[in-house]
Amino acid sequence: QSALTQPPSASGSRGQSVTISCTGTSSDVGGHNYVTWYQQHPGKAPKLLIYEVSKRPSGVPDRFSGSKSGNTASLTVSGLQAEDEADYYCSSYGGSNNLLFGGGTILTVL
Amino acid sequence: QMQLVESGGGVVQPGGSLRLSCAGSGFTFSNHGMHWVRQAPGKGLEWVTFIRYDGTNKYYADSVMGRFTISRDNSKNTLYLQMNSLRSDDTAVYYCARDLWGHQWLPLVPAYWGQGALVTVSS
Repeated sequence: QSALTQPPSASGSRGQSVTISCTGTSSDVGGHNYVTWYQQHPGKAPKLLIYEVSKRPSGVPDRFSGSKSGNTASLTVSGLQAEDEADYYCSSYGGSNNLLFGGGTILTVL
Repeated sequence: QMQLVESGGGVVQPGGSLRLSCAGSGFTFSNHGMHWVRQAPGKGLEWVTFIRYDGTNKYYADSVMGRFTISRDNSKNTLYLQMNSLRSDDTAVYYCARDLWGHQWLPLVPAYWGQGALVTVSS
């Protein structure tokens, strides 16, 4: 199975909102609610941001939100802050005892 | 406090073997499925393999099937990745990660990650 499709880059000014998309197929993203989002700063391990499409673990600010429509999931970061500048990855259960990741999106805060 | 610590990374020649370990603490290791996820230099994340909480089911990405073997020793709270027939495109930081939920038998959500172990395949 192919990786999920994310835009390579996104940007927004401080205080604004930005949305990152993650497109799969009806077998993965569109087939269930096991869509996950991660944030990764340079040289660090990924950090869980969103699971089951829209749920936030404790400690993750509510500026981060997730949604899904059909085969495309989205991560929205509201009220952009300097520390939000990072790489963002989506993942989804692939439907065949496998896990798929997106190619990643570099978020720049202007 | 939950912690995952990988070890065993290093430089290996093409065709060689290496075994990574991941020691878990701060949680009931035997209750959780575990993943290995890798990241080639400057590239994105790639899921490698998953093992069910009790070790009875194991799943692999096509890119490592037949070359890599995941295992666990719940008495030692340790996860392993045996890597054989290594190739240059296996060069990456390898992360172990605990799945979000307990008693899970499918690879769903790598939630808690170690700091990673660098594996370099080069002659």
